[in-house]
Amino acid sequence: GQNIDQPTEMTATEGAIVQINCTYQTSGFNGLFWYQQHAGEAPTFLSYNVLDGLEEKGRFSSFLSRSKGYSYLLLKELQMKDSASYLCAVMDSNYQLIWGAGTKLIIKP
Amino acid sequence: GAVVSQHPSWVICKSGTSVKIECRSLDFQATTMFWYRQFPKQSLMLMATSNEGSKATYEQGVEKDKFLINHASLTLSTLTVTSAHPEDSSFYICSARDPTSGGEQETQYFGPGTRLLVL
Repeated sequence: GQNIDQPTEMTATEGAIVQINCTYQTSGFNGLFWYQQHAGEAPTFLSYNVLDGLEEKGRFSSFLSRSKGYSYLLLKELQMKDSASYLCAVMDSNYQLIWGAGTKLIIKP
Repeated sequence: GAVVSQHPSWVICKSGTSVKIECRSLDFQATTMFWYRQFPKQSLMLMATSNEGSKATYEQGVEKDKFLINHASLTLSTLTVTSAHPEDSSFYICSARDPTSGGEQETQYFGPGTRLLVL
């Protein structure tokens, strides 16, 4: 079966760095997405990785290793507004998005 | 970036009534739109894939006669929850792909969601 694993919850301190991991087992691979979802709101797109390596976008970076079925989202200089759920999703060979359950990130002052 | 709108943002209705939710792509044409449902503290659950000009593809376990989807134009898809019951109360979110967004053409952009409460 297809499976996306990410931690349920993480806590970090304002100003620090946090890494949210995602491992996946899917039938085929056509890219991995990270989305941010604040409580009560719809997800917003953060990043897309289809090739191995690190993609950097400001304070957020996303890494992919296809051979390991592994990705991480790195958040630097954490701000209180970064408190949200972070969803990892993989597009399989049928171009269907397989969603992880999300990681709730709690930022403490 | 691509903008997707949804209307209404909130709906409260009586059990047995039907509710229509609209999803629009505002600055691009979306041949494919997706409808999701999300219960509190749970991940997104794909309900159906809506293709312009053809029938929607429903996920297993989703009743197509209860959740009617119409994708009549390249910028509009509608989801109608027929004969709604309290267990249909949920957060309904649509998304759309922007086929013109280069290497990220598979990226889905989400509408703001519609919160449905059935009494």
